[in-house]
Amino acid sequence: EVQLVQSGAEVKKPGESLKISCNGSGYNFATYWVAWVRQMPGKGLEWMGFIYPGDSDVRYNPSLPGHISISADKSLSTAYLQWTSLKASDTAMYYCARGQQHLVDNWFDPWGQGTLVTVSS
Amino acid sequence: SYELTQPPSVSVSPGQTATITCSGDKLGDKFACWYQQKPGQSPVLVISQDSVRPLGIPERFSASNSGNTATLTISGTQTVDEADYYCQAWDSSTVVFGGGTKLTVL
Repeated sequence: EVQLVQSGAEVKKPGESLKISCNGSGYNFATYWVAWVRQMPGKGLEWMGFIYPGDSDVRYNPSLPGHISISADKSLSTAYLQWTSLKASDTAMYYCARGQQHLVDNWFDPWGQGTLVTVSS
Repeated sequence: SYELTQPPSVSVSPGQTATITCSGDKLGDKFACWYQQKPGQSPVLVISQDSVRPLGIPERFSASNSGNTATLTISGTQTVDEADYYCQAWDSSTVVFGGGTKLTVL
């Protein structure tokens, strides 16, 4: 069974750093794109970016502020989403999702269970 | 940047057909897919590549994509289908989601 399991909920203060993870199993992790998707409270889905773990090719959503970074360790079958300085506006549920083996016309299935990040002073 | 527009809400009676639209410039020239998200749950892919239903998705879910509009159709809608539905497409090396449609079955 293809599965993505994310790290647990986090509560942080503004200005703190954070790295959340997404562990894939049941497939060749290195050969499928892994996406990160943000869902702010009561809002819709926003694509943040994705990574091809095989060669760490990363694509970011140019419409979103650039204070996040995406990485992966294919030896651990794990992708990461990282902030160096959190803001209150980063409070959201973050999902990882498996994309396809090709870049263009990607779609996502399955999705992880989500990681809730709360940033509050 | 590319935008996908969905109606905020759609209502349907049980057993009837629900239709959810997703509009974007020349969307029919791209592949559209659809996700279902129930409250407190992660999104689930219900349609990929315009009209392909993944394993495990009921046959009552179907979709099409032509011109500027992709359409998700749920035939014989059931109360378990009540959820938010999001369309998604690929444009200029970016992934774009529609704003979502809340489907109410009553």
